[in-house]
Amino acid sequence: NAGVMQNPRHLVRRRGQEARLRCSPMKGHSHVYWYRQLPEEGLKFMVYLQKENIIDESGMPKERFSAEFPKEGPSILRIQQVVRGDSAAYFCASSPGGQGVYEQYFGPGTRLTVT
Amino acid sequence: GQQVMQIPQYQHVQEGEDFTTYCNSSTTLSNIQWYKQRPGGHPVFLIQLVKSGEVKKQKRLTFQFGEAKKNSSLHITATQTTDVGTYFCAKFTGGGNKLTFGTGTQLKVEL
Repeated sequence: NAGVMQNPRHLVRRRGQEARLRCSPMKGHSHVYWYRQLPEEGLKFMVYLQKENIIDESGMPKERFSAEFPKEGPSILRIQQVVRGDSAAYFCASSPGGQGVYEQYFGPGTRLTVT
Repeated sequence: GQQVMQIPQYQHVQEGEDFTTYCNSSTTLSNIQWYKQRPGGHPVFLIQLVKSGEVKKQKRLTFQFGEAKKNSSLHITATQTTDVGTYFCAKFTGGGNKLTFGTGTQLKVEL
C-alpha cells in the first residue's frame, strides 16, 4: 500500500515563474491537506480539500496561490509568479473520510527553491 | 489566538539521558496529536491523546494529556541517536480537520 506521494521532490524556479506541486493521497483517502514549512520553522496549514471541493483555505495567501483536487488525478498546489519568500518545503497529507478525528499521513514533501 | 507553544525550542542531550518536551495551549483541547520529523524528512504520526489525564506509552516514549486538557508532554527515557529530530504537538482547529502545529522541539543526541 503506497503512502502519500509528492512530486517533484525538489523544484527550482526563477522569480516570476510558476510552480506546480503534485500530491497523490494514500489509497482510500479522500481528504488532502497542504502545509508549508519555512526553513527552521514549524508547519503551517494552507488548505484542506476533498474531491472537487475546497473545504478550508484559510491558510492560503490571498494572491498567487491556488489548489485543486480534481475528480481524477492528483491534488495540485499552484504558485504563480513565485518570489524568494515562497522558498520552503511544501508537505501534502491525507486522511480517510467519514466521522472522527484521524491521523494525517504526510508525503515526503516538495522542496521549492526560488532563485 | 490559537497558538500552541512548545518548550524547550532546542534540547541537546547525551545519549542515555532523558528528554521531555511540553506543549501548552491557551484553550481547552478536544484531543492532541504528536508527530516526529527527522532532519530533512517529513512529519510522522506518533500518537493521539483524547481523554483528560490520559497516559500512553510506546517503548521508551511516554505521552501525557493534562487533566484540564490544556497541555501535553512527551517524555523519552534513555535517549538514543535514532531519537534525533523535531517533535511537534498538533491540535485540530476549524471544525475538526485542520491541524495547527506547535512550534516544535528540536532534539539532538550526542554520543
